[in-house]
Amino acid sequence: ELKVEQNPLFLSMQEGKNYTIYCNYSTTSDRLYWYRQDPGKSLESLFVLLSNGAVKQEGRLMASLDTKARLSTLHITAAVHDLSATYFCAVDSAYSGAGSYQLTFGKGTKLSVIP
Amino acid sequence: DVKVTQSSRYLVKRTGEKVFLECVQDMDHENMFWYRQDPGLGLRLIYFSYDVKMKEKGDIPEGYSVSREKKERFSLILESASTNQTSMYLCASNSPATSGRPKYQFGPGTRLTVL
Repeated sequence: ELKVEQNPLFLSMQEGKNYTIYCNYSTTSDRLYWYRQDPGKSLESLFVLLSNGAVKQEGRLMASLDTKARLSTLHITAAVHDLSATYFCAVDSAYSGAGSYQLTFGKGTKLSVIP
Repeated sequence: DVKVTQSSRYLVKRTGEKVFLECVQDMDHENMFWYRQDPGLGLRLIYFSYDVKMKEKGDIPEGYSVSREKKERFSLILESASTNQTSMYLCASNSPATSGRPKYQFGPGTRLTVL
């Protein structure tokens, strides 16, 4: 059974600071996703990481993937209040019965950026 | 530009009622998923379907059933609603991995309250 662990689960940081959210997963996977969720809203796709060593950046967020360590990181640079949200990582795992895939999520990291 | 829709954003039901949550996607995706989201627990997979009339149990199927009579529609059924099924329900869809980079599309969510 695939397990996905995120830490920290809660993060309060000041504007302008840097921080990293970690996502560990328990079995081999080729795809890792990062999502953002604002209160009462659905999930917004941030990044899809498809291979070992993949790095993607969008604005103040940068995600990386190390498939050997089964670890992904979401790095926040010079945080601003607008980044306050809950961030989820999720990992694809194969459903062998149909050659299809399903997502398993971490519990999420609630980020609060304080002015 | 709506791709995955859910029948209700908010729903209030009474204990013991039969509840239907509907999800429709217009992207011709083969796979569809139902998740529930609870604070501190992240998103957990209830059921998924990889083809019409096919269904597979996810991690927490107890108390739920599903129906997929048409490719675009995936229904989640609470046979006899209970208070512990009060939650946010999210529907998602995607195409099989063999088609290239799979991308999951999420619906807006249904906030269900069972009194």
